[in-house]
Amino acid sequence: QVQVVESGGGVVQPGRSLRLSCAASGFTFNTCAVHWVRQAPGKGLEWVAVISDDGSKKYYADSVKGRFTLSKDNSKNALYLQMNNLRTEDTAVYHCARDRRMGGYETIDLWGQGTMVTVSS
Amino acid sequence: DIQMTQSPSSLSASVGDRVTITCQASQDITHYLNWYQQKPGKAPELLIYGASNLQTGVPSRFSGSGSGTDFTFTISSLQPEDIATYYCQQYDNLLRFTFGPGTKVHIK
Repeated sequence: QVQVVESGGGVVQPGRSLRLSCAASGFTFNTCAVHWVRQAPGKGLEWVAVISDDGSKKYYADSVKGRFTLSKDNSKNALYLQMNNLRTEDTAVYHCARDRRMGGYETIDLWGQGTMVTVSS
Repeated sequence: DIQMTQSPSSLSASVGDRVTITCQASQDITHYLNWYQQKPGKAPELLIYGASNLQTGVPSRFSGSGSGTDFTFTISSLQPEDIATYYCQQYDNLLRFTFGPGTKVHIK
């Protein structure tokens, strides 16, 4: 079954760290770039970060740059998002999402259901 | 950074109505524009890519058009299952994505 499944969410205090994982199955993981997209409660979608297919290139939204770090383990079909110095505004559902090039255009064609991160004292 | 705006932020229409949502980019993005549907409690789904290309399996009542900075998403005949929030999204050459703020569609 073609899917990505997130884990690792939870409740954490401001300033602490959390690591999210994304497990991929049913497709060739090492040929895909992968994004994290988050959605705060009742709010819209916010792009967080992307990592290239081989893990060599990583780009982050300004809101998380310097605090979040992406890594990709193609041997395990896994993606990780290390989140440090968490803030209350990082509270959101975090979706792992596969990038796919279609007809020359980049898209997200596969989304996980997400894992909830709550930052609260 | 490129900013995306959408209008309206919400709309209410009757079953069978034609629904139109607009999306505007703060600078020219040619056709690098996708549309997603997110139903309550679900992950988003890709509907339109490259401004006007229908994703496989998506009903033909959905369509997109536009280029440059101005884009339009249309549902030709609104169905009850189309209740959702719709997002436009652009990307740059580094695969950094930006989503619009979303348009929530209700049935009247």
